[in-house]
Amino acid sequence: EAQVTQNPRYLITVTGKKLTVTCSQNMNHEYMSWYRQDPGLGLRQIYYSMNVEVTDKGDVPEGYKVSRKEKRNFPLILESPSPNQTSLYFCASSLRIGASSTGELFFGEGSRLTVL
Amino acid sequence: QQPVQSPQAVILREGEDAVINCSSSKALYSVHWYRQKHGEAPVFLMILLKGGEQKGHDKISASFNEKKQQSSLYLTASQLSYSGTYFCSGSARQLTFGSGTQLTVLP
Repeated sequence: EAQVTQNPRYLITVTGKKLTVTCSQNMNHEYMSWYRQDPGLGLRQIYYSMNVEVTDKGDVPEGYKVSRKEKRNFPLILESPSPNQTSLYFCASSLRIGASSTGELFFGEGSRLTVL
Repeated sequence: QQPVQSPQAVILREGEDAVINCSSSKALYSVHWYRQKHGEAPVFLMILLKGGEQKGHDKISASFNEKKQQSSLYLTASQLSYSGTYFCSGSARQLTFGSGTQLTVLP
């Protein structure tokens, strides 16, 4: 089954304790992206990757890191989480984006993170 | 840099029509539309690849005016199942989303 898998789905942590949210897709997609969703603010892009070893900042990258060592994986790293990073996070992937865009963005089920 | 959507919220009765607008300040290759139910991930509705293109999905259709960088989503004879938050997304080098339009369909 074609899917985007995120883990963990729910996490409560404390300020400053490093954490990683994993994201994996099995569709051989080139494009992957992380979004955070907060009430009234829609989906804001954190980082995105056009392909392996190619990553770029989105609109709200502060406090986050990513890597794309393999095509299928795109982990989101919070080196020193703070309470303002409490949010619902979505990973998504697409075959490709841009002038040759052919279709939809597939989303993971979301990871709800609480930083105390 | 996010696309701007309007209205922010709309309440309809079953069977009524609605239009949701999306405007971008930067050139787009395509426009995507998604619907998100409460507590779930967004779900793809349609993509418009060419300027002026109109696509349909059941009684939901959309248009894309490439010159104005504007797209509109048309919901005709709305059903209860149409309730949710609708997002437009513009594709340039990356996919950024509008802030969403919350649509509520009442019986």
